[in-house]
Amino acid sequence: QQQVKQSPQSLIVQKGGISIINCAYENTAFDYFPWYQQFPGKGPALLIAIRPDVSEKKEGRFTISFNKSAKQFSLHIMDSQPGDSATYFCAASSRGSRLTFGEGTQLTVNP
Amino acid sequence: GAVVSQHPSRVICKSGTSVKIECRSLDFQATTMFWYRQFPKQSLMLMATSNEGSKATYEQGVEKDKFLINHASLTLSTLTVTSAHPEDSSFYICSARLHSYNEQFFGPGTRLTVL
Repeated sequence: QQQVKQSPQSLIVQKGGISIINCAYENTAFDYFPWYQQFPGKGPALLIAIRPDVSEKKEGRFTISFNKSAKQFSLHIMDSQPGDSATYFCAASSRGSRLTFGEGTQLTVNP
Repeated sequence: GAVVSQHPSRVICKSGTSVKIECRSLDFQATTMFWYRQFPKQSLMLMATSNEGSKATYEQGVEKDKFLINHASLTLSTLTVTSAHPEDSSFYICSARLHSYNEQFFGPGTRLTVL
């Protein structure tokens, strides 16, 4: 019940395209859903996060879509750029508890 | 934004020695810090949760006598890998939580290589 399943494992997108990464969870107690971006040899950086009281959150080119009934959330990267090439992790937690991470998606944006 | 630092960024040591890694929250007080381990092309694996002034809580399978965690203040936690062996070589990452609303901010990581 603590798992967060992330797909796809890897993704190749052309510059200017839309990158979409999906995550699904089972624990209905989760109330915080962040996305992290990690470059090789660096720690993860918090990209954007959402709580279940809203269905969408947008920050610049990054959008989280959240479907509470389906227990799914996704990250959309609009106008993808080569500098977006990184590994993306979704995560989930309930208040005060540890983060449960997805397996990660390696995104490559071709110029 | 919240900044977490780690020191050192890279360390190479001989088998059998101990290595200490520091994690600091630079611009906020973190009541809880976390230590993760990450192998190449894998997700983050939580090793332990550290609360200021109390003993760390270790995840199943993590040897608490080998990975010593101290969280002496609201801005500093340390991880000491004791009697390191080559299989302990990994990328160690700490994170600090901004109060209980779950925002976690990660340090830049420490690459440990044990020869």
